[in-house]
Amino acid sequence: AQTVTQSQPEMSVQEAETVTLSCTYDTSESDYYLFWYKQPPSRQMILVIRQEAYKQQNATENRFSVNFQKAAKSFSLKISDSQLGDAAMYFCAYRSADGGGATNKLIFGTGTLLAVQP
Amino acid sequence: DGGITQSPKYLFRKEGQNVTLSCEQNLNHDAMYWYRQDPGQGLRLIYYSQIVNDFQKGDIAEGYSVSREKKESFPLTVTSAQKNPTAFYLCAAGLPYGYTFGSGTRLTVV
Repeated sequence: AQTVTQSQPEMSVQEAETVTLSCTYDTSESDYYLFWYKQPPSRQMILVIRQEAYKQQNATENRFSVNFQKAAKSFSLKISDSQLGDAAMYFCAYRSADGGGATNKLIFGTGTLLAVQP
Repeated sequence: DGGITQSPKYLFRKEGQNVTLSCEQNLNHDAMYWYRQDPGQGLRLIYYSQIVNDFQKGDIAEGYSVSREKKESFPLTVTSAQKNPTAFYLCAAGLPYGYTFGSGTRLTVV
């Protein structure tokens, strides 16, 4: 079974600085998706960024980028120029790309709570 | 706007009572999911449905039931058999490359 591990329960960053959140996963599959979701105090889950495992190029969305290391099964999120609105719980998630049914489910890590200091 | 609507936002359940959480979507997605969120445990899958009139148990289905009579609706019932129902419940609908989540229901046992 696939697992997702986030080893940093809490992180803190100064406004305008850069922070990296770590995520590792375990799978025997070769094709899958990886995601970072943001959950602010409102508790609405927001998709931040997505990476397809078959793509070697790291995904980027404005100030958010990932470092995807497939062999190491590592998927870290870098937030550049941190803003107060980035303060939230961040979840790493895995989804198999091998078909329907139970493989469509997202498997989540336990989350990293990011604080942004002014 | 397309999205997922969960209601109510807050729900209180007495011991031995069944309660139903509503989830409605206008995204025209076939797949819908219910997750439970507890502090320090991330999100865990309760039930999912890939198509109308069909649904499957997730990782923690005991004490819960669902129905999928319409594509737009996927209600979750928390039964009296669920011994620790206090949690935050999230409904999602989605495509393989990303889900859309509702805003959640906070259930508390009183």
